[in-house]
This record gives sequence, structure tokens and C-alpha cells, in this order.
Amino acid sequence: EDQVTQSPEALRLQEGESSSLNCSYTVSGLRGLFWYRQDPGKGPEFLFTLYSAGEEKEKERLKATLTKKESFLHITAPKPEDSATYLCAVQRRSNYQLIWGAGTKLIIKP
Amino acid sequence: EAGVAQSPRYKIIEKRQSVAFWCNPISGHATLYWYQQILGQGPKLLIQFQNNGVVDDSQLPKDRFSAERLKGVDSTLKIQPAKLEDSAVYLCASSSPTEYQETQYFGPGTRLLVL
Repeated sequence: EDQVTQSPEALRLQEGESSSLNCSYTVSGLRGLFWYRQDPGKGPEFLFTLYSAGEEKEKERLKATLTKKESFLHITAPKPEDSATYLCAVQRRSNYQLIWGAGTKLIIKP
Repeated sequence: EAGVAQSPRYKIIEKRQSVAFWCNPISGHATLYWYQQILGQGPKLLIQFQNNGVVDDSQLPKDRFSAERLKGVDSTLKIQPAKLEDSAVYLCASSSPTEYQETQYFGPGTRLLVL
């Protein structure tokens, strides 16, 4: 069964304290892996898509990496405005549908 | 470029009542999705449209939920009758099959509370 597991469920960091969020997955035919950011009261906002093992993408303080079984979202020197829930989803090759993880709630304290 | 629009933003109803949600996708996006997001969980796909045809509704509780996309643009999702467990955020997303990534873009969601 296709499944996405994110860890930790919640992460509290001090401003400037770098860390990583994990997304492990099992899917029968991966087309791509997506990272989204969701702020309270809003819909998910697209961040990155990764397609193959070894691929990396960066945006400001965020860097996403992909292996054959998991993806990491590295956050470097985070700021309070990076506080949000980060969602990971895998896209099936067969029908392009997204299978979502439950998210990691990131809190950055000033 | 305007994003995905949804209304209403909030709705409170009593159980067994009916409710409807509206979504207007990004202009030109042929694919439209309705998701249910329960607090603390990731979105769960309810139904996917390609233009005005249903691609997948396997997880839609068809005894109480219905959705339509007339003319291949706007869409409505209805719940009748609502149950307490329907309390959730209902997200609409759209994508374009002409984009290689087929990235899904989300609206702000409708927060439903069933009392």
C-alpha cells in the first residue's frame, strides 16, 4: 500500500538553529515527490518537486533532497516566519495523484 | 494570475443539515480536486475532475457527498446530511495537464464545523 510518513510530528527550534524534516515513503511507481508549506488557516503552498534520487532543490533557507526511500527538507538558520506545517506528498506515476503525509509542525522561536 | 477561489471560508451547521462549498480554479486549469483535511492530518482526496468529467471518486462517501463541475470550470461539493465526523477543512486544488509537473495549487479552504 502506498504510504507517506513524516517525522517528527512537531519540531521546536530557536531562531538560527538548523535542522531537517524527514519524509519516508513507499509507492508503487514514483513520478515525483512534492513539498508544500501550510500556514494556519490557509491552503498548502507549493515549495518543491523532486523526481529522481540524488536530486536537490533550494529556496531561500530551505533545501530538499531525495533518495529512493525518503526525502529531507533541510532548514538552515531558520527565522520565525519559517514557522508552518510542512507537508510531503508522493505522486503516483499511474494517475498523477498525490499521497500525503500528516505533516511536520515547525515552530521557530525568536 | 488569480489563485484558486473558495467560498464560504467558514461554515457552522447542525448535524443532519446540508451544506455546499464552491470552488473556482485557476483560469485554464482543466483538473480540479476536492480534498478533506482533518486537523493534524494531510489532505485526503475526495474527488478529481478532468474538465467536467470525474476521473476518481473512489474515496467520496457517495451516500452523503456529491460534487459536480458543470461547464468544466467552477465546482460545488455538497454534504447532505452532515455528520459530526465531517468537521474538517475542505480544500480545492487545480492543476494543468499541460504542465510537466502538474503541480496542484490550492485555495484557502472552507472550514466546516458540524455541531
